[in-house]
Amino acid sequence: QKEVEQDPGPLSVPEGAIVSLNCTYSNSAFQYFMWYRQYSRKGPELLMYTYSSGNKEDGRFTAQVDKSSKYISLFIRDSQPSDSATYLCAMTRNTNAGKSTFGDGTTLTVKP
Amino acid sequence: SQTIHQWPATLVQPVGSPLSLECTVEGTSNPNLYWYRQAAGRGLQLLFYSVGIGQISSEVPQNLSASRPQDRQFILSSKKLLLSDSGFYLCAGSGGTDTQYFGPGTRLTVL
Repeated sequence: QKEVEQDPGPLSVPEGAIVSLNCTYSNSAFQYFMWYRQYSRKGPELLMYTYSSGNKEDGRFTAQVDKSSKYISLFIRDSQPSDSATYLCAMTRNTNAGKSTFGDGTTLTVKP
Repeated sequence: SQTIHQWPATLVQPVGSPLSLECTVEGTSNPNLYWYRQAAGRGLQLLFYSVGIGQISSEVPQNLSASRPQDRQFILSSKKLLLSDSGFYLCAGSGGTDTQYFGPGTRLTVL
């Protein structure tokens, strides 16, 4: 069993929709949670970074962490065609040379 | 914030040829550095990481090696490429936080 499982997708939504991307994890030692966005043939870029349980908002993006359920989510409001990309969740233990464990990614397409 | 530079962007190499991919980091000192490979439509596979000059840890036994000759330089190498070495190679760095910043990647095709 993988340490991090990500909803595989692909996901296709109309412009303006609310998008929910989700990951579950099995290792309670994970303490840092990240979401990356990766456009086709590009390197991943960091979108959101959270440490504790709860919500963190940045513009149209909200990252949610539920450590008791070992579940994280990324919500995108008012989705735009430019949000079309692959989204990767990632998690890091407190002391592990900063090594992150990544989900396999969910590919999102937002249709105009 | 830090910036990760990688080159070349694309590379086509014959089977059995050597490989050298270079990664350099700007904007931070003494970063942790990482090499990943990403297969098409798949997640990231960590190949190597380094916490300092000359310190390399291998995550997966393979045909590749890594070196860190300077604080902000990380090199991925192979003496003889295999077909299975084809993929998208990403260098990443982290410094001071547990978040990683990625370079633009190198798309390697071995024919």
